[in-house]
Amino acid sequence: DTGVSQDPRHKITKRGQNVTFRCDPISEHNRLYWYRQTLGQGPEFLTYFQNEAQLEKSRLLSDRFSAERPKGSFSTLEIQRTEQGDSAMYLCASSLVEYGRRLTGELFFGEGSRLTVL
Amino acid sequence: EDQVTQSPEALRLQEGESSSLNCSYTVSGLRGLFWYRQDPGKGPEFLFTLYSAGEEKEKERLKATLTKKESFLHITAPKPEDSATYLCAVQRTGANNLFFGTGTRLTVIP
Repeated sequence: DTGVSQDPRHKITKRGQNVTFRCDPISEHNRLYWYRQTLGQGPEFLTYFQNEAQLEKSRLLSDRFSAERPKGSFSTLEIQRTEQGDSAMYLCASSLVEYGRRLTGELFFGEGSRLTVL
Repeated sequence: EDQVTQSPEALRLQEGESSSLNCSYTVSGLRGLFWYRQDPGKGPEFLFTLYSAGEEKEKERLKATLTKKESFLHITAPKPEDSATYLCAVQRTGANNLFFGTGTRLTVIP
């Protein structure tokens, strides 16, 4: 399978614990996005990377959230001191965009990592 | 601020009963409008991109159209496997991300 893969698919944690999600994008894609989706809502943009550079962060991304994309390949999203309001599906997506150009095409999403904070 | 409103929130159709889903949008300069399909517990799956008013795209039983204020996703003779949530998203000119609506949950009854 050459699609976007995310790990773990499900994570249950206690409030206050730290969690980390991993995303492996489609290999030739240079753009990587993180979105969050809660029940009955559409995905909400969190952040995106162009290669290894994090170029934009949403105001939804509090200081408890940090994302990295070392070497421009896989990405991790860490949530520190989790709160019950962090319970959601965390979606990763990737795309191929010419250097210096704007996104002009579709995003390819992974199946998501569902977080439940007790 | 960008706004995307999808209607209805939920739609139940009999197999073969054609209908349309609506996506109304407000954005300061539309770069593109996207339709995605999402099955329960899965990530969104890309269907169509529309870039300018008057544009139409088709795929199997689905047809997407675009005006300056809204987009329609027409479903012709739907089958139970078309049951899913259909998401509409817009990309504002100059933006590098998509802004999604809340979706329409479609159920097709055999």
